[in-house]
Amino acid sequence: DAGITQSPRHKVTETGTPVTLRCHQTENHRYMYWYRQDPGHGLRLIHYSYGVKDTDKGEVSDGYSVSRSKTEDFLLTLESATSSQTSVYFCATSGGADLRNEQFFGPGTRLTVL
Amino acid sequence: SQKIEQNSEALNIQEGKTATLTCNYTNYSPAYLQWYRQDPGRGPVFLLLIRENEKEKRKERLKVTFDTTLKQSLFHITASQPADSATYLCALDTSFGNEKLTFGTGTRLTIIP
Repeated sequence: DAGITQSPRHKVTETGTPVTLRCHQTENHRYMYWYRQDPGHGLRLIHYSYGVKDTDKGEVSDGYSVSRSKTEDFLLTLESATSSQTSVYFCATSGGADLRNEQFFGPGTRLTVL
Repeated sequence: SQKIEQNSEALNIQEGKTATLTCNYTNYSPAYLQWYRQDPGRGPVFLLLIRENEKEKRKERLKVTFDTTLKQSLFHITASQPADSATYLCALDTSFGNEKLTFGTGTRLTIIP
C-alpha cells in the first residue's frame, strides 16, 4: 500500500470555524488530490496539486483552499466551515516513477459541521 | 454536459456467477478508464486500467472491456465470491493526460452465498 495518512480521521466542528485537514505521503508521488464523497454524488474533486506550490481547482472548489509547501504534504482548509461541507474527505496521490496513472487513496477524514 | 453513469446503484449476484457492472459516459474522450473497489469506511483501491486503444484487460478473475464507440466499459468478476462484495467505481481520465480523474457514483455489489 502507498503510504498515505490523513489527519484527523474524524472531526466535529461548528459552523463558521476554520478547519484544516492534512494529507501526508511517503511515496514521493508528484500529484496529490483532495476529494469529497457524499451519498448520491460519488467522489468529487475539490483541488489537486501537480507539484510543490502548484495547485489547481477541481469540480467543487468553492469554500476550500489548499497548500502544498513540500512534496509529501497537502493541506485542505475550510476557511469558514458550513453544514454543506459535512462529508468524508479523501486524499489521493499519483505519479509514481512508473507513471501508471492509478491513484492511491488515504483512509479518509469524516468531517461533521454542526 | 459531461456525465458518467454506472448502471445501477446496487447489484445482487449469486455466489459463483459472473457479476457484470456497467459504466457509461457522455461527452468525454478519455485516454483511459480505471476501475476501483471501495469497502465501507475505507478509501478506494485501484483494480484495473484500460487505455482507449485496448479492447479488453484481464487480471485474475477480473475482466474489463472498453468500447469508445459505445462510450461504455464493462467490468466482469467471474466465479464471484462473498469477499467480492463492495462498491465498485469507474473513473475516467478527463484532463487529457493531466492526471485528473472523474468518478462515477459507484455500484454496490453484494455476492449472496
